[in-house]
Parts: sequence; structure tokens; C-alpha cells
Amino acid sequence: DAKTTQPPSMDCAEGRAANLPCNHSTISGNEYVYWYRQIHSQGPQYIIHGLKNNETNEMASLIITEDRKSSTLILPHATLRDTAVYYCIVRGGKLIFGQGTELSVKP
Amino acid sequence: NAGVTQTPKFQVLKTGQSMTLQCAQDMNHNSMYWYRQDPGMGLRLIYYSASEGTTDKGEVPNGYNVSRLNKREFSLRLESAAPSQTSVYFCASSEARREPYNEQFFGPGTRLTVL
Repeated sequence: DAKTTQPPSMDCAEGRAANLPCNHSTISGNEYVYWYRQIHSQGPQYIIHGLKNNETNEMASLIITEDRKSSTLILPHATLRDTAVYYCIVRGGKLIFGQGTELSVKP
Repeated sequence: NAGVTQTPKFQVLKTGQSMTLQCAQDMNHNSMYWYRQDPGMGLRLIYYSASEGTTDKGEVPNGYNVSRLNKREFSLRLESAAPSQTSVYFCASSEARREPYNEQFFGPGTRLTVL
């Protein structure tokens, strides 16, 4: 499974878009990019996943670069409840959680 | 549906004691997993069960045993607890065994302290 690199922390103003980057330069062709988040003291929650194309669901959008070496998770209108640790996971087998990005949404 | 449930929510053990963490899911999922999360760290996979009757080691299996009792239940046993096993333990389940779709659903966690 490829290694991912994420900034340890980010801030975002409530109502604004939160853009969370992830580098996965060693990703191989059959590995998917998954995003999970973990709100304090709770179990992780699945957000979205993708292989090559950009993806959107009711929670977020996932933008994957053409060379697939990086991706960005976009929360279009962040709320205080989106404050959490966000994990970018490149998976060919088991989920490997790194340190993630701690997103703080501020009023 | 309750999703993934774990018992107990909290537990304090003395070094050398044994205990079993219970996990059950009501989503008819094939695969189940046990993770541990130490303070300030991401989750690490202890054991997983791809289907009923099978179990495999993850990243950090030492000091643990598991039992896939049936399709619903997957238990984690600490035979002789050590302070290094103080952690939050999460159970998860998923439908698919392979890509492309393998969303995992997590339980609320068990907070274990070993003195």
C-alpha cells in the first residue's frame, strides 16, 4: 500500500470550502484513494473514494490529479460539526491509517 | 439497525489479567476488523476476518487472539494484559472483500486501560 502525506493541521472558516490535500506519489495503478474522518472520540467514518476520476457525494468532493500522485478532499460549506481528523488512505489491500489532518472549523 | 456495537465501552485491567472485547454487526457484512488507536496516532490493524471461519493477522497482532464466532460476531481476547495494550479499540465491518468498494463501518470503541 502506498504511503500518504497530509498536513498535520488546517483551519477553515465556517461556511467556507475546506480543501484538504494529500500526496501519494508512490500510488500504483490499481490502488484507490479513500478518505475517512474521525470526530473526537468516535470511530472513523467513511467519506468518499476514487480511482482516477473526480467523485462527488452528499458529503464531499474528491479531486484526483491526472498523474494520480495527489488528491484533494473538498468540503464545500464547512460547518462546526466538520471539525475532525481527516485520513487519506491509498489502498490496495488493508486500510492503513496515517496521522491524518486535524481540521478545525472556526465560527 | 444498530450498525456495529462494541462492549464494554470502558475497562480497567491489572497487568496479567485477561479479557475479551466483544463486537457485533447487524448489516450482514462478510468482513470484520479489529484496530487499536493510541493517543495522537492513526488506527493500526490488529486482526481481520475476511469471512466467517477465517481470521488473519494485521500490523500489530502480538498479544491478541480473535474468534469469528459467526457472521455477526468477532471477538478480541487479551490473554495477559500489559500496560502497552492501553489503547482505544475499534471494531469495524465491511461488505466487500475486494476493491473497488470497501467502505468500513466502525463501532464506538472500547477504551482500555491496563495498570
